[in-house]
Amino acid sequence: AQSVTQLDSQVPVFEEAPVELRCNYSSSVSVYLFWYVQYPNQGLQLLLKYLSGSTLVKGINGFEAEFNKSQTSFHLRKPSVHISDTAEYFCAVSWLTGGGNKLTFGTGTQLKVEL
Amino acid sequence: DTGVSQDPRHKITKRGQNVTFRCDPISEHNRLYWYRQTLGQGPEFLTYFQNEAQLEKSRLLSDRFSAERPKGSFSTLEIQRTEQGDSAMYLCASSFQAEETQYFGPGTRLLVL
Repeated sequence: AQSVTQLDSQVPVFEEAPVELRCNYSSSVSVYLFWYVQYPNQGLQLLLKYLSGSTLVKGINGFEAEFNKSQTSFHLRKPSVHISDTAEYFCAVSWLTGGGNKLTFGTGTQLKVEL
Repeated sequence: DTGVSQDPRHKITKRGQNVTFRCDPISEHNRLYWYRQTLGQGPEFLTYFQNEAQLEKSRLLSDRFSAERPKGSFSTLEIQRTEQGDSAMYLCASSFQAEETQYFGPGTRLLVL
């Protein structure tokens, strides 16, 4: 079965430090890749997406991610985090096998930014 | 563009009761998706519509669940004879077929007592 793995359930980091949130998926067939952020009691907000083209994708709020096809990874990075980045981050994959492009999500990484 | 809206935002019900949730997608989005998110987990796909046609249903969608999208606009998700295991956040998303990005609503949080 196709799956998405976010190995780190929680990542504590000090403000202004860099951060990387890891995401791996199970299959190397054609995929679309997404990172969403979820604040408490809210829905999901799109941070960035990879559909095709350059493997380095830039998103909102200073986040970026790199698609690595050989390692089936799509890690999220930010060079300097802010307190307001504290939230849950979800990696999601859409496998291009036809149909409606439903998303398969990882279990999420709670980013906690501390002073 | 007012975004995806869901109603109600919160619902508390007793086991065995029926509940219905509504989702209004972004106008002109012809695809609509339902997901369920339990505590500490990522969202899981339930079903999706293209216009008014329900094209795929997850095995998570038991016989007690039914979803409709009359006229290809808003959608409803009904749960009959609710069980405590149905307690979750129910998320709706929509997309325009030519673009793969799904835009999510704020969700409906269901608590079954």
